[in-house]
Formats: sequence, structure tokens, C-alpha cells
Amino acid sequence: DIVMTQSPDFLAVSLGERATINCKSSQSVLYSSNNKNYLAWYQQKPGQPPKLLIYWASTRESGVPDRFSGSGSGTDFTLTINSLQAEDVAVYYCQQYYSTLSYTFGQGTKLEIK
Amino acid sequence: EVQLVESGGGLVQPGGSLRLSCAASGFTFSNHAMSWVRQAPGKGLDWVSGIGGSGDNTYYADSVKGRFTISRDNSKNMQYLQMNSLRAEDTAVYYCATRDGSYWGQGTLVTVSS
Repeated sequence: DIVMTQSPDFLAVSLGERATINCKSSQSVLYSSNNKNYLAWYQQKPGQPPKLLIYWASTRESGVPDRFSGSGSGTDFTLTINSLQAEDVAVYYCQQYYSTLSYTFGQGTKLEIK
Repeated sequence: EVQLVESGGGLVQPGGSLRLSCAASGFTFSNHAMSWVRQAPGKGLDWVSGIGGSGDNTYYADSVKGRFTISRDNSKNMQYLQMNSLRAEDTAVYYCATRDGSYWGQGTLVTVSS
């Protein structure tokens, strides 16, 4: 299985500042035939199911505010939240979907307001 | 409006069985690969199983292989997860989701305890 490792586990950022969450995969999730990274980011708030934010590593899902952005390729990826809002407090997960046998998640990063 | 509604969770003794169901509406169900994802209390997301749109291809996490069986009935817009030989570590909220992560149900709680 591809192992996904996020850092940090916990992050506290002031309102209006930038939050950066990293995700590293144990093997590349870049599919060479279409040059796409099979990497997604989710946001989960307490008591709610996860919400898809980003797919193909950098494509925002419809309706997701543009302060959320994804970057990276191969094995190293970043979710950036610019101008942090109070409603962004949540746990964030990366997930690879390169391996059709098993779509593994990272362990999660808990984001709070400083 | 897309809806995924899980049912069938509950309390079961170790070694027992449960069958989870997921009722889908608001989209062309047969066109979408589906997944089950679980979340143990206070823990992160854990991909459990996936199934192709026609039901021909199925995938399982190593932790459930040989014990869980995923299936679907496209005529009824339903997805299922048959869980046998349940263990305490299978205790979790089980989410039904489209495999691309765009849509999720609210989850159903499975508790394995004597």
C-alpha cells in the first residue's frame, strides 16, 4: 500500500494568516501517461463527513473558496489556506487514488485558531 | 440533490456479522464507482473498500480482506457492505461515498463489543 504521511499533526494559525499542510506519499502518485497527480485533499469538521476540497493535487472542487489551493507533484504535496477564516477550523486529510487497489489517507492535520 | 444514506449499523458481538446499506439518489448511480470509508472514534479516515460502477471490480483494505464483501444493485441504486467475523477494531462510523470523493453520506455507527 502507498503510505501517506502528513505534517504537522497539529497547526495553530492566527485569523487572516496562512496555513500550510504537507503530505508525502511513500511512492509517486504521478501517472506519467496523463501527467496527473492522483492526490486529493479533504476537510472534516466535527460531526460531519469529509468534504472534498482539491483533486488532481491542485484542482479546486466546485464551490470551494479560492483561499484554498493545492500544489506539489510526485511524492510531495501542500495544501495552503490563505487568509485563514474561523470556519476553516477542521481536520484536513490528503488521500491518494493512484493505487486502485487501495485509496489510502494521511493521518490528518488538526487546524485551530491561534 | 445528491443523497447517500447509510443504514444497518449497530451493536454486534465480536465474531458477529452486519450488513450495511447505502441508498443513493440524485445522480446516475451506475456511472459512479463507490467506496466505504470508516472512522474509528477520535481517529482518522480509513479507506475500507471500493467497487466499480458495474460491480465487476472490487477492492479491499488488507485489514478487512476475506471478512468484508462489497456489492451493489444498480437497479435499486444501492450499495452494500457485508461484514463478517467482526472485531473490536472494526468499531467505527462507516461512510458511503462516491469513489471520487465528491459525495458522502452522514455515516452509520458500528460498535463491536461484548
